[in-house]
Amino acid sequence: KAGVTQTPRYLIKTRGQQVTLSCSPISGHRSVSWYQQTPGQGLQFLFEYFSETQRNKGNFPGRFSGRQFSNSRSEMNVSTLELGDSALYLCASRPGYGEQYFGPGTRLTVT
Amino acid sequence: TQLLEQSPQFLSIQEGENLTVYCNSSSVFSSLQWYRQEPGEGPVLLVTVVTGGEVKKLKRLTFQFGDARKDSSLHITAAQPGDTGLYLCAGVKETSGSRLTFGEGTQLTVNP
Repeated sequence: KAGVTQTPRYLIKTRGQQVTLSCSPISGHRSVSWYQQTPGQGLQFLFEYFSETQRNKGNFPGRFSGRQFSNSRSEMNVSTLELGDSALYLCASRPGYGEQYFGPGTRLTVT
Repeated sequence: TQLLEQSPQFLSIQEGENLTVYCNSSSVFSSLQWYRQEPGEGPVLLVTVVTGGEVKKLKRLTFQFGDARKDSSLHITAAQPGDTGLYLCAGVKETSGSRLTFGEGTQLTVNP
């Protein structure tokens, strides 16, 4: 089985721009979660989608949003980028509940 | 404020030594997981513990969940350079559904 894939792997954006990251879960997995990883804050939960519905949400501003498509692929969007949004964005998938499988992440640099 | 406090934050040891990493919280978790992450990759699940007092062994790695389900430890015996990586604990709180709360991580370096 193919693992979780994330695109792009690396991204450089300028303050004020917006960005869209993509995640393709493992085949058959209906849940996709997004996390932000930074050296100072560690891994922080952004949101989880299950069957196209947001099931859980972390404590991030409204500039961070996501969605899930009928094929379980998910996208997250960050608008009006700030320098502090520079981070590794990780996506994880699982069938419904249980063990999460992480992708390799998208490294976002905001300049 | 991190809900899960990991210690130490950094650990550099020689091959063959033993080590213990701690994960502590004032909150109760319904389950706790340990991950290892290598540069350029996402975290990989090592183990899940769900019962207070539970001990799980995975080759040279021993994981323990505290009796009150507020803390956990990871012990590595005879560390090898291949054990080098970022070790993360993550918990699921009974009141937070399925979301994972991560500790800050312990960066382990095992020198040959």
